[in-house]
This record gives sequence, C-alpha cells and structure tokens, in this order.
Amino acid sequence: GQQLNQSPQSMFIQEGEDVSMNCTSSSIFNTWLWYKQEPGEGPVLLIALYKAGELTSNGRLTAQFGITRKDSFLNISASIPSDVGIYFCAGIGGTSYGKLTFGQGTILTVHP
Amino acid sequence: GAGVSQTPSNKVTEKGKYVELRCDPISGHTALYWYRQSLGQGPEFLIYFQGTGAADDSGLPNDRFFAVRPEGSVSTLKIQRTERGDSAVYLCASSPTKGETQYFGPGTRLLVL
Repeated sequence: GQQLNQSPQSMFIQEGEDVSMNCTSSSIFNTWLWYKQEPGEGPVLLIALYKAGELTSNGRLTAQFGITRKDSFLNISASIPSDVGIYFCAGIGGTSYGKLTFGQGTILTVHP
Repeated sequence: GAGVSQTPSNKVTEKGKYVELRCDPISGHTALYWYRQSLGQGPEFLIYFQGTGAADDSGLPNDRFFAVRPEGSVSTLKIQRTERGDSAVYLCASSPTKGETQYFGPGTRLLVL
C-alpha cells in the first residue's frame, strides 16, 4: 500500500541536541499528524496539523504542514533520553474519513 | 479512563489455522480502525467501521481477512488459513467519530509458524 517517504530512517544523537525529520508525499494531504511509538505500544499522537503552512508546537516539539500540502517536518529541541522511540508521520487525504497513511518511521536514539 | 484494549497481546499459530483478534475501543467512540504493522514499517490501514458497518475495507489484503463489529463497540478481526506472511502486529484504533483523533491500542503480535 501507499506510504509516505519519511527521512531519516534513524538518528543517533547526544542528549541536548536538536532533531529534525521530515515526510514527503506525491499526493496532497488535508491533515498531517506526527506519532511516537515505543516498544510494545501503539502509536501516540504528538501533533496534528490541519492547514497548509500551519506551524504548531507541543512543548519541545514543533511541526509544520508544508505549503504544497505534500510535506511536513517535525523538530525536537534539546532532546532528552525519554525522547527515544520511533516517530511516524501520517497523512489523511481526500474523503478517507480518517484513514491514516503512515511513513516508514524514524528511529531516534538519544545518548545521555 | 480506559484506553483501547486488544486481546490477546501475543498469538502464535500454525500455518493454515484460523485466528481471531479482539479490539475493545474507548467507550463511546463510534469509529474503529484496524491497521497492520510489519517489522520496520509504519502501520498500514486495513478496515474502518463507523458504528456497526464497515465504511471502508479497501485495505484488507484478500478474502482470508474479515472483520466484524456487530454491536458497534467491540470488533473482531478474523484471519482464515493463516500464512507466514500474515505475521505482524495488528493495531486497533478508535475515535469519537470519523475523522477525529485516533487513539491506538497496544496491538496484537501475531506469529504464524
């Protein structure tokens, strides 16, 4: 099935560093979402974006909905060890009524 | 309050067997979704229910997969004649109604030997 192109696939960073990851698609999406998944758990919603150009923050996390509606990025500032996990972008398009299309995920490792 | 729960948490079966996976959504949520997540991949949509009816089953891979939600609450994903390629984590999510934020359960890890 269709998936979004998410990069990078993995990141190894030191505690305190900033992190950036992004997602692109060949299709337009009406909503962009960013989720975090930890081992043995389901994805947990971090940020939701509903309008092209929208920039939204949630604590140390900031995400933007691209102007073309075909991309989004997520930034994490001043990373901490509990930021470790897999981050997924997801999009909702057209009349899919909430059916999510996910990226492949970015594995984040933070060294203390 | 209680989140989405899924049972069993793990299921090991043999090729060719039948399995049922259960999802209990958050109370009052009318929309329920099933996704499948293979190792190293993001979840892939299988089917979506609004109430008791399957509003979109376009993600079901073939006719061995079937899901029901007879009373508009609990849902069961049924897989017939399982194959090794069916091994994955099966995630369930629910939302207050269609299009709203989806809350995911912990998933059922299915291993087909």
